[in-house]
Amino acid sequence: DGGITQSPKYLFRKEGQNVTLSCEQNLNHDAMYWYRQDPGQGLRLIYYSQIVNDFQKGDIAEGYSVSREKKESFPLTVTSAQKNPTAFYLCASSIGRVAETQYFGPGTRLLVL
Amino acid sequence: GQQVMQIPQYQHVQEGEDFTTYCNSSTTLSNIQWYKQRPGGHPVFLIQLVKSGEVKKQKRLTFQFGEAKKNSSLHITATQTTDVGTYFCAGRSGGGADGLTFGKGTHLIIQP
Repeated sequence: DGGITQSPKYLFRKEGQNVTLSCEQNLNHDAMYWYRQDPGQGLRLIYYSQIVNDFQKGDIAEGYSVSREKKESFPLTVTSAQKNPTAFYLCASSIGRVAETQYFGPGTRLLVL
Repeated sequence: GQQVMQIPQYQHVQEGEDFTTYCNSSTTLSNIQWYKQRPGGHPVFLIQLVKSGEVKKQKRLTFQFGEAKKNSSLHITATQTTDVGTYFCAGRSGGGADGLTFGKGTHLIIQP
């Protein structure tokens, strides 16, 4: 059963702690993305990666970091430098170039207390 | 940078009424995609338009891409409760490594 998995579905952290969100895909897609969605808002691009060991900053990369050591995995770390980390985080992938159809994971809701 | 605006932000309709959401870009787009996000869910791809003036239909949904490739619309005929959700457009302008820019979405609320 192919798709994108994100874990956990809900995540609670104390302010000042780093937290890593998992994203795995078995679609053999080259490109992967991280978006942030706030209530009632659209999707804002945090980071994207077109190929293993390479990634680019999106519109709101400050306070976040990523790695792409394997094609199927693109974890996102929300660092303590992110001023307002509570949000819904969505991971997506696409077959090739970054502007092709994107397939989204179920998302992780992060609540920082 | 590229901006993609969507209107309206919210739309309340009675079940059975039609619904339209509009997407406008500050730059010419090479393609535009539409996604639907159900409440509590994640965005799901609906369709992609590439050609100037293109019109595509999916059952009760009609998608249009403007002649100047700077605007697009999604029209739903005779809405049903299953249509509830947020509809996003996403466009790409230029080549190279440019990604998609998503609009803020239109939230469709249907009253039975």
